[in-house]
Amino acid sequence: ILNVEQSPQSLHVQEGDSTNFTCSFPSSNFYALHWYRWETAKSPEALFVMTLNGDEKKKGRISATLNTKEGYSYLYIKGSQPEDSATYLCAFVYGQNFVFGPGTRLSVLP
Amino acid sequence: SQTIHQWPATLVQPVGSPLSLECTVEGTSNPNLYWYRQAAGRGLQLLFYSVGIGQISSEVPQNLSASRPQDRQFILSSKKLLLSDSGFYLCAWSVLGLAADTQYFGPGTRLTVL
Repeated sequence: ILNVEQSPQSLHVQEGDSTNFTCSFPSSNFYALHWYRWETAKSPEALFVMTLNGDEKKKGRISATLNTKEGYSYLYIKGSQPEDSATYLCAFVYGQNFVFGPGTRLSVLP
Repeated sequence: SQTIHQWPATLVQPVGSPLSLECTVEGTSNPNLYWYRQAAGRGLQLLFYSVGIGQISSEVPQNLSASRPQDRQFILSSKKLLLSDSGFYLCAWSVLGLAADTQYFGPGTRLTVL
């Protein structure tokens, strides 16, 4: 059974703070790593797809890095805003199977 | 543009009753389709995926089944619900089903089995 872990489980930050969370996954049989944002009462929304070791992706204030050799990815949010409050999910892909982590719940306090 | 629909949005069912959740996709042809469940305090778990009409792959042994009677329709069913079937059910689609292919999720169905 593949294990995808995310840390921390939850965190609260003040508006304007920068923050980051971790996704850990098996370092073998790697195909891709996805990041999703899941806001309450909405559908999970794709943020990034990362496939190569050393990949760095950026969308506005959010960026992500990937280390497939050691099996981790970091998601960074610069200058957090209340609208960033959501659960951030990573998904490790092997073959056609997506294995999701439990998510990191972020609350940004105004 | 593509859209994905799920219904019902919420459902409360007694133990032992049947279940049918429906998912439809518009604006694309021959999508890969997926059913996920999030149980309380757990991550999203892939239940089934389908690469075409009548083609279903199951990821975990369980009390549920899936069918794809039409290209853009995916149905999740059970003959007799268990308490452990409670959770949030998400349908998703992707274009090719490749590892780097984004999955697009529907609004979900919250199922409570009493």
